[in-house]
Amino acid sequence: QLVLTQSPSASASLGSSVKLTCTLSSGHSSYAIAWHQLHPEKGPRFLMKIKTDGSHTKGNGIPDRFSGSKSGAERYLIISSLQSDDEADYYCQTWGTGTTVVFGGGTKLTVL
Amino acid sequence: QVHLVQSGAEVKNPGASVKVSCKASGYTFTSDDITWVRQAPGQGLEWMGWISGYNGYTNYAQKFEGRVTMTTDTSTSTAYMELRSLRSDDTAVYYCARGHEVLDSWGQGTLVTVSS
Repeated sequence: QLVLTQSPSASASLGSSVKLTCTLSSGHSSYAIAWHQLHPEKGPRFLMKIKTDGSHTKGNGIPDRFSGSKSGAERYLIISSLQSDDEADYYCQTWGTGTTVVFGGGTKLTVL
Repeated sequence: QVHLVQSGAEVKNPGASVKVSCKASGYTFTSDDITWVRQAPGQGLEWMGWISGYNGYTNYAQKFEGRVTMTTDTSTSTAYMELRSLRSDDTAVYYCARGHEVLDSWGQGTLVTVSS
């Protein structure tokens, strides 16, 4: 079964960097994923797609502070130079057979 | 620039139906699909299904089969999601998004409250 696993919470200091992790279930380690930000005031925003080769393509207007990578079954969202406005929920998302969409449980990022 | 603008908040009684709209602009509506996602209070994102903007083909999540209908009006570039037999646990913010694999643009969300 295709499942995405995320830590429920993360925190980092203003101006620092944070790495959020999304883990694909066994047998699905090669899948591409997308990262989305669900901001409490601004709503949802597509951040980037992490392709099967580990490269990423970002959504329109997404700052360079946001980047992505992968290692094995893990997919990462790295946010550098953290700003208070980055405090939000972050979801990874993928798609499976028959194009069913799967979301991770989300990570609530707190900027200290 | 792609924009998806959703209809306003709704309050419904249990057992009723709700129909949420999603008006698209900034791209050719028939060249892409619309996915519907919801978020219940304190919960994560839940995929409901998607509809082709080209031919109206639908793919619903098993959980909603028989209770949801997704449609499009290509003349107005608008997608619709109707959910029937509403229950209290259908209270959620409902989102539309473009695409059915990578969801690359989102609507602002529509709060549907089910309460007697």
